[in-house]
Amino acid sequence: NAGVTQTPKFQVLKTGQSMTLQCAQDMNHNSMYWYRQDPGMGLRLIYYSASEGTTDKGEVPNGYNVSRLNKREFSLRLESAAPSQTSVYFCASSARTSGGSTGELFFGEGSRLTVL
Amino acid sequence: QKEVEQNSGPLSVPEGAIASLNCTYSDRGSQSFFWYRQYSGKSPELIMFIYSNGDKEDGRFTAQLNKASQYVSLLIRDSQPSDSATYLCALSSGSARQLTFGSGTQLTVLP
Repeated sequence: NAGVTQTPKFQVLKTGQSMTLQCAQDMNHNSMYWYRQDPGMGLRLIYYSASEGTTDKGEVPNGYNVSRLNKREFSLRLESAAPSQTSVYFCASSARTSGGSTGELFFGEGSRLTVL
Repeated sequence: QKEVEQNSGPLSVPEGAIASLNCTYSDRGSQSFFWYRQYSGKSPELIMFIYSNGDKEDGRFTAQLNKASQYVSLLIRDSQPSDSATYLCALSSGSARQLTFGSGTQLTVLP
């Protein structure tokens, strides 16, 4: 049981280049998320997908696009990378609690992106 | 005002002491509260969750929730150097489909 798997783990881009971060989960969770983490800023939500076929913007969506390919996979795309997008990116998935709210998040190992 | 506030620290405690980590929040509709631990260079991992007012104990960890005062805390008893990490508070509200995280408190347990 791999949990949440994201690739690549490290990437260096030049300003203006594009790339896609891949994420897959094998826990049959409905909800998936992309966060970025910067020093002193905690985890900030970029986009999320509450269920297959839906995606919604989070706190910091500018410069990113997402695709919920199927129930397992949720990708994050940077169309034209900027130095401000240098960060550690985490994919996560969750089920929902019996009360209907978001439950525990399970995180991938993170992808460290540097944009020069 | 940020929705979830944590003292960024660093908080240092000697080995064997009780570490107390606090979190306040602004949304009175918040229902589910989580504490995550994150070691340097690693991903966050859940250590406690609490839904009801009062205390919830799990081994050396105790989560405390006071919805009237809008705070949630994490106590770590008999702190060990291996507890040195950043602790993230998170919460969700009603039918919200996302968690909101605080910026984390860095804890160092000194041998």
